[in-house]
Amino acid sequence: QSALTQPASVSGSPGQSITISCTGTSSDVGGYKYVSWYQQHPGKVPKLMIYEVSNRPSGVSNRFSGSKSGNTAFLTISGLQAEDEADYYCNSYTSSNTRVFGGGTKLTVL
Amino acid sequence: QVQLVESGGGVVQSGRSLRLSCAASGFTFSRHGIHWVRQAPGKGLEWLAVISYDGSDKYYADSVKGRFTISRDNSKNTLYLLMDRLRPEDTAVYYCAKDQLAAPSIDYWGQGTLVTVSS
Repeated sequence: QSALTQPASVSGSPGQSITISCTGTSSDVGGYKYVSWYQQHPGKVPKLMIYEVSNRPSGVSNRFSGSKSGNTAFLTISGLQAEDEADYYCNSYTSSNTRVFGGGTKLTVL
Repeated sequence: QVQLVESGGGVVQSGRSLRLSCAASGFTFSRHGIHWVRQAPGKGLEWLAVISYDGSDKYYADSVKGRFTISRDNSKNTLYLLMDRLRPEDTAVYYCAKDQLAAPSIDYWGQGTLVTVSS
């Protein structure tokens, strides 16, 4: 049950687009459509941003999008805004019926 | 609206046990899988355990298997986590979180309860 691999940090300027990767194995990310992404602001509870690889819950901005290729999932944020600065975590269902999170990525809006 | 309220956290000595509770409201508790997830101070999220909607299936992270036990009481809309043989590295905020209906994706989280294990 190794954690999914995410970059420790990414940054971008307002208005730009950034992409965060989340790499697992064929036993988790690559094997299932159940990859989710969460946003967590300091001292706050995680918030679901993307589920089932590319679906957005009601109320989440369409600036957030998700995709997957092989064993790697991606979260893309377009039109960066200051309020997007937060930690982002991916999560996947696994072949053991467990779940696994990525180590988290700190997004800095320059 | 969906509410998940954790309780039972506090300071406990290493080697002791502690039971956390999570009271649910605003949705049909008995239809959803529920998880425990923790976050150590300044660290990332760590998935711990999940229990199926009816309590028949339980799965654990290797890091807590054999020490932590997840359970639920659907008549009380409450989830539990019994933590035995606690270690200082178990110090964290513990969240309960619910799955979407019929899909293994966490959609709502509680506010969390802090557990501090002293050596």
